[in-house]
Amino acid sequence: KQEVTQIPAALSVPEGENLVLNCSFTDSAIYNLQWFRQDPGKGLTSLLLIQSSQREQTSGRLNASLDKSSGRSTLYIAASQPGDSATYLCAVTGGNNRLAFGKGNQVVVIP
Amino acid sequence: DTAVSQTPKYLVTQMGNDKSIKCEQNLGHDTMYWYKQDSKKFLKIMFSYNNKELIINETVPNRFSPKSPDKAHLNLHINSLELGDSAVYFCASSQESWGSPTGELFFGEGSRLTVL
Repeated sequence: KQEVTQIPAALSVPEGENLVLNCSFTDSAIYNLQWFRQDPGKGLTSLLLIQSSQREQTSGRLNASLDKSSGRSTLYIAASQPGDSATYLCAVTGGNNRLAFGKGNQVVVIP
Repeated sequence: DTAVSQTPKYLVTQMGNDKSIKCEQNLGHDTMYWYKQDSKKFLKIMFSYNNKELIINETVPNRFSPKSPDKAHLNLHINSLELGDSAVYFCASSQESWGSPTGELFFGEGSRLTVL
């Protein structure tokens, strides 16, 4: 059974600092990995999707890497802004076509 | 234009009642899902439909019955509601051929169910 862990569970950083969020998964047989953002009381917004054959994806200030063999992904957010405050969730699609979510990294960017 | 829309957004009801949550997607996707997010914010899949066919049915009480009248709609009906059913229920969709799930997942805003 796929287990997804996100560390740290919560963090606060001053505005302008780079954010590094970690995700690890136990079964490396995945189709893809997605990073989502969730604001309080809202649904999930997809940030980046990395296919199993890819090593990284970039969108604006966001960069996500994938190391399938070690079961890890890292989401980098450059020059953080208060608007980046949210919960970031990592999810992997496994060989059984099921998406397994981590519990999220709750981020607060302090102005 | 809302890509994945759910109704109602909030639902407060008494134990023992039956309620439904509706979901529609206008993305032309083939696959739709129901997820449950509990009080600890942990997301777990409940059901998945691909082209109106039930694909994933996790260990969910049979009081929960999904129905997909067409591939753009996936509704969730819950019978005999219990206190533990209180959660946020998310609908999602993706474009993928089953067996090749490479599609990005799009979520609705969620339906917050409170059972009193």
